[in-house]
Amino acid sequence: EAQVTQNPRYLITVTGKKLTVTCSQNMNHEYMSWYRQDPGLGLRQIYYSMNVEVTDKGDVPEGYKVSRKEKRNFPLILESPSPNQTSLYFCASSGGGSRNEQFFGPGTRLTVL
Amino acid sequence: DAKTTQPPSMDCAEGRAANLPCNHSTISGNEYVYWYRQIHSQGPQYIIHGLKNNETNEMASLIITEDRKSSTLILPHATLRDTAVYYCIVAYFYGQNFVFGPGTRLSVLP
Repeated sequence: EAQVTQNPRYLITVTGKKLTVTCSQNMNHEYMSWYRQDPGLGLRQIYYSMNVEVTDKGDVPEGYKVSRKEKRNFPLILESPSPNQTSLYFCASSGGGSRNEQFFGPGTRLTVL
Repeated sequence: DAKTTQPPSMDCAEGRAANLPCNHSTISGNEYVYWYRQIHSQGPQYIIHGLKNNETNEMASLIITEDRKSSTLILPHATLRDTAVYYCIVAYFYGQNFVFGPGTRLSVLP
């Protein structure tokens, strides 16, 4: 089944404790991205990647890092999480094609205390 | 900032057509109009997209005005499962910086 998976789905952590949220897709898509969603603000893009080793900042990159060493994986790294990073995070991938459809993962709900 | 403006909420009776408007007055010639929806807190789901011609697929129809400054997503026979937040997005076809605004919360009522 074609899908985007994220782990963990839920995470409660404390300020300053480094964490990684993994994202993997099995559709051989070149493009992947991370969004965060906060009440009243819609989805905001954090980082995106057009291909392996190619990443770029989205609209809200501060406090986040990403890497794209393999085509299928695009982990989101919070080196020193803070409470304002408490949010719902979505990973997405797309492979162009006639629809250029973005496929979204199920989301990771992160709480930073 | 989002390049689109949508009403924050709408209601629709089950079985009737739901017409969701979107204004995108600053759209450029090469930008497409995309529609996604999000049910509860699930990941957004692609619905349809178009450049300047009207489009129809198994889920919905997209009507884009001739000047391309606005569009309407039509769900022809809304069901309770269509209750969701609907996002109208303007982006280049191969552009990947999708800007999601607050969207329209559609409530389909029995």
